[in-house]
Amino acid sequence: YVLTQPPSVSVAPGQTASITCGGNNIGTKSVHWYQQRPGQAPVLVVFDDTDRPSGIPDRFSGSNSGNTATLTISRVEAGDEADYYCQVWDGSSDHTVIFGGGTKLTVL
Amino acid sequence: QVQLQESGPGLVKPSQTLSLTCTVSGGSIDSGGYYWSWIRQHPGKGLEWIGYIYYSGSTYYNPSLKSRLTMSVDTSKNLFSLELRSVIAADTAMYYCASHVAVAGPAGAFDIWGQGTMVKVSS
Repeated sequence: YVLTQPPSVSVAPGQTASITCGGNNIGTKSVHWYQQRPGQAPVLVVFDDTDRPSGIPDRFSGSNSGNTATLTISRVEAGDEADYYCQVWDGSSDHTVIFGGGTKLTVL
Repeated sequence: QVQLQESGPGLVKPSQTLSLTCTVSGGSIDSGGYYWSWIRQHPGKGLEWIGYIYYSGSTYYNPSLKSRLTMSVDTSKNLFSLELRSVIAADTAMYYCASHVAVAGPAGAFDIWGQGTMVKVSS
């Protein structure tokens, strides 16, 4: 199972960033999203498609349908500049965790 | 709140065994409440899942690493471990331990991460 993310997304401060994660019938799976700032461990920002862990601003939201899941960051701030990864569990064959290749979000 | 801390050698010679431990604090590793995982990241690259272990000892491994991999739990020390045999240069990476709540099953999100430990494979 393969998850496809755009290598990079750029957005101006205050605008909305959308980061996609494509996969075959991904809408049938639970998708999780992680933010990784340079030199730091990843941080969970959205889980189970749409839920946010405590402490994550409501500017971060997620959706998942069909063959695409999307992480949306509203009112983007300079501090949101980071790599973002989507992740699913593939229980169909090898029972493995799959990560997308990651998207570098640049705040212009 | 559960916290994780990786430890291990920063340098391993090719063909040798890489051994890492992840110490769990703020909770009991055998409470049955969490899946315990290893994830790695090659320099400048994305995340690669290595495997899960549950406190009972049941495991899920990445098929690409399964033949060289053993994960275990030490309840007396409240830690879990990774052993990767016959390492090569391509095993050079930042290694993270991570966990997620067991009620979510293996599909759960990794909500707790260690800081990571860098391992270089070189002679």
